[in-house]
Amino acid sequence: GAVVSQHPSWVICKSGTSVKIECRSLDFQATTMFWYRQFPKQSLMLMATSNEGSKATYEQGVEKDKFLINHASLTLSTLTVTSAHPEDSSFYICSAKSGGASDTQYFGPGTRLTVL
Amino acid sequence: GENVEQHPSTLSVQEGDSAVIKCTYSDSASNYFPWYKQELGKGPQLIIDIRSNVGEKKDQRIAVTLNKTAKHFSLHITETQPEDSAVYFCAASAGGGADGLTFGKGTHLIIQP
Repeated sequence: GAVVSQHPSWVICKSGTSVKIECRSLDFQATTMFWYRQFPKQSLMLMATSNEGSKATYEQGVEKDKFLINHASLTLSTLTVTSAHPEDSSFYICSAKSGGASDTQYFGPGTRLTVL
Repeated sequence: GENVEQHPSTLSVQEGDSAVIKCTYSDSASNYFPWYKQELGKGPQLIIDIRSNVGEKKDQRIAVTLNKTAKHFSLHITETQPEDSAVYFCAASAGGGADGLTFGKGTHLIIQP
């Protein structure tokens, strides 16, 4: 149980284009989903917290107009990187929390974004 | 905000020996401390977690200890095996895990055969 998927697993795009990444909880309803970014050989950095049906909360320094987050249902959250630039190239990882007594965050497999 | 320090950055141990990774945190409000294992190109996998009302938790070869007074927690892996080789991250969160996680910088664990 507690499986989180991401799509796509990797994507290459041209500078200036937008890319959408999906995060799905497959066997549980996620009240909250989180988006993290990880640069090579570095740690994970929280970008934003997404609650179903409400606006995402962004961490300091993360541009909300550049990283659009939508959490339309209890099993799906999307991250859209708008007007991508090479410095946005990174490993984007989502996690999902089911809530209740267990507050464990389960992570997806990540999406490798390369902006040319 | 929360700051999590993790040591060492690299740890090499002989197969069968024990490995210990240590983390400290700064925010006394943090009450949830998970450990994740990450293999190259994959997402983090939860291996064990502990909440602030518990001092120690064990799951087979893996154990975690928490000292709330000193604000540090440690991961202990006994009888290490080659498949334990990976990067391990500690993390901390307030709200029992309801908040986003603040991660340490990671420890690259190498198991020497």
